[in-house]
Amino acid sequence: KAGVTQTPRYLIKTRGQQVTLSCSPISGHRSVSWYQQTPGQGLQFLFEYFSETQRNKGNFPGRFSGRQFSNSRSEMNVSTLELGDSALYLCASSLIRGQGVYGYTFGSGTRLTVV
Amino acid sequence: AQSVTQLGSHVSVSEGALVLLRCNYSSSVPPYLFWYVQYPNQGLQLLLKYTTGATLVKGINGFEAEFKKSETSFHLTKPSAHMSDAAEYFCAVSDLDLGSNFGNEKLTFGTGTRLTIIP
Repeated sequence: KAGVTQTPRYLIKTRGQQVTLSCSPISGHRSVSWYQQTPGQGLQFLFEYFSETQRNKGNFPGRFSGRQFSNSRSEMNVSTLELGDSALYLCASSLIRGQGVYGYTFGSGTRLTVV
Repeated sequence: AQSVTQLGSHVSVSEGALVLLRCNYSSSVPPYLFWYVQYPNQGLQLLLKYTTGATLVKGINGFEAEFKKSETSFHLTKPSAHMSDAAEYFCAVSDLDLGSNFGNEKLTFGTGTRLTIIP
């Protein structure tokens, strides 16, 4: 059974550019959440999607957005990149909402470097 | 709002010694608590979780944690450390309130504890 797949694994972008990260959840999982991990701020919740709808959003500026497709795959987009957006972006999936209580399955992340 | 405090950003123990990683939480609803482990350049792996029932929770790789409501703690322990345990460990609390029709589901993480094993 394949795990949560995040692509690409590594990405280097220039300030001001935009970037799109992809997450394919475990087959059958319908809830996808995104987290940002930085040395300074730690792990912070970005947003959660379920049935193609954003259900919850963290305290991030509007430059951070996402979406979920009918096959539960999710993308997140960051526009007008800033140096501070350099981070490991983690995607997590669960079977249904509320299953997060029982532990998400995380992907290996996308390491974004903004130069 | 939920919060998690992990005491000690770095912990070093000798191989074969007891591992104790501390976690205290605050929660406005019955807490759902987790420990995750992260190896270099990898995502998070669930070690164990407390939802309801028995307060002593056993996880993978010989780890266990005890939920103590009176102390608002959920410390992680392992009787005998192994070199392969070297990693970063995160305690987390779920924001999920099952009484609210699954609203506001997210994890709030502690700042992490880096565990080093001394040969």
